[in-house]
Amino acid sequence: DAGITQSPRHKVTETGTPVTLRCHQTENHRYMYWYRQDPGHGLRLIHYSYGVKDTDKGEVSDGYSVSRSKTEDFLLTLESATSSQTSVYFCAISPGLSYEQYFGPGTRLTVT
Amino acid sequence: AQKITQTQPGMFVQEKEAVTLDCTYDTSDPSYGLFWYKQPSSGEMIFLIYQGSYDQQNATEGRYSLNFQKARKSANLVISASQLGDSAMYFCAMRERSEGNTPLVFGKGTRLSVIA
Repeated sequence: DAGITQSPRHKVTETGTPVTLRCHQTENHRYMYWYRQDPGHGLRLIHYSYGVKDTDKGEVSDGYSVSRSKTEDFLLTLESATSSQTSVYFCAISPGLSYEQYFGPGTRLTVT
Repeated sequence: AQKITQTQPGMFVQEKEAVTLDCTYDTSDPSYGLFWYKQPSSGEMIFLIYQGSYDQQNATEGRYSLNFQKARKSANLVISASQLGDSAMYFCAMRERSEGNTPLVFGKGTRLSVIA
C-alpha cells in the first residue's frame, strides 16, 4: 500500500461544469503526478509537481490546472469540463526521479 | 516521435508457459530508466520491474525478468511459468534522467490473456 488515495473514485458531470479531483498521499513524497488513461493511448501525463507550489505541464495539459499547497495534496481541476475529458485519471507519487512511481486507485470521470 | 513502442496490442499464452512482451524505446539520453507496470481488470497500476541504462545485468523480480538489449533499444518483459492471474494489461515506461526533471513516458500497452 503506497498510501495514495483519490477522491472521488467515480464522478459524472455535465459539460461546462468545473470539476476538481483530489490526490492525497501519506508518504510525504516530493513528486506527484496526474495522468489520464484512454483506450489506445496508454497513460499520458497531464501535470506534475516537484514540490509545494512547484508544478509543470505534461503532454496533455490543455484544459487542466493543478495546485499543490501542501505536500500531501495535489489537486487537478477541469475549469469547464468537456466530453473529451471523459477518462480515467490516475495520481502517482514518487520519492525522487530515480525511483518508480506508485499509483493511486484512479478516478473514473464521465462528462455528459 | 513515440518514445515507447509496444507493438503487440494483445497476446495469448498457455498457462505455465513463458511469454515475452515487447518494448522498444527511443532516446538520445545516455542515462535513463525503464519500467514495467501491470494493470489487472480491477484497474490498479502495479509496479513490476526496473532496469537502469547503466545496469550491467538484466533485472529480475520473481517470475519477471527484463531482457535489456541496449544496442537494439529494447526492454522486453519475460514472464516465466504464466498463471491465470497474469492476465492483464502491461505497460512499458521510460524516464530520461540526464535533464533531471522528466516524468515517466508510457507505451500504449499490451493485453495479455493466459489460457488454462
